[in-house]
Amino acid sequence: GAVVSQHPSRVICKSGTSVKIECRSLDFQATTMFWYRQFPKQSLMLMATSNEGSKATYEQGVEKDKFLINHASLTLSTLTVTSAHPEDSSFYICSASQGGDTDTQYFGPGTRLTVL
Amino acid sequence: AQSVTQLGSHVSVSEGALVLLRCNYSSSVPPYLFWYVQYPNQGLQLLLKYTTGATLVKGINGFEAEFKKSETSFHLTKPSAHMSDAAEYFCAVREGFSGGYNKLIFGAGTRLAVHP
Repeated sequence: GAVVSQHPSRVICKSGTSVKIECRSLDFQATTMFWYRQFPKQSLMLMATSNEGSKATYEQGVEKDKFLINHASLTLSTLTVTSAHPEDSSFYICSASQGGDTDTQYFGPGTRLTVL
Repeated sequence: AQSVTQLGSHVSVSEGALVLLRCNYSSSVPPYLFWYVQYPNQGLQLLLKYTTGATLVKGINGFEAEFKKSETSFHLTKPSAHMSDAAEYFCAVREGFSGGYNKLIFGAGTRLAVHP
């Protein structure tokens, strides 16, 4: 149980284009989903938190107009990187939580974004 | 504010030897603590977690961790290392339960190498 998928696993795009990454909880309902960014050989940096049906909460320094997050259902959240630039190249990881005080975050396998 | 310090960015052990990965935390509230493992180009997998109750927590793949409040530590151990244990390990503390969701603060990670 508690499986989270991400699609695509790897994407290469040209500078200036937009890329959408999907995060799905396959066997549970995720009231909250988290989006992280991980640079090579570094830890995870939380970008934003989204609750189903409401606007995402972005961490300080994260551009909400550049990283659009939508959490339209209890099993799906999307991250859209708009007008991507080479510096946006990174490993993006989502996690999902059922909510509650002691609940655990379950992580997706990650998406490797390369912007040329 | 909560924080996590992982001592040693790289740890190398021989196959069959004891694995000890160190984690110290800072928290103004009773902490919820987690250990995650990340294999190359993959997301994070939960190894174990401490919320309340028994301070010695057993996880998957033979790992365990002990919560020591007096030392503010949550070190991860495994009696006998296996080649398949080679990976990146992250310790995390829950920042707090606000707005109905948990926010994790991650340590910098420890890369475990296992030699034959």
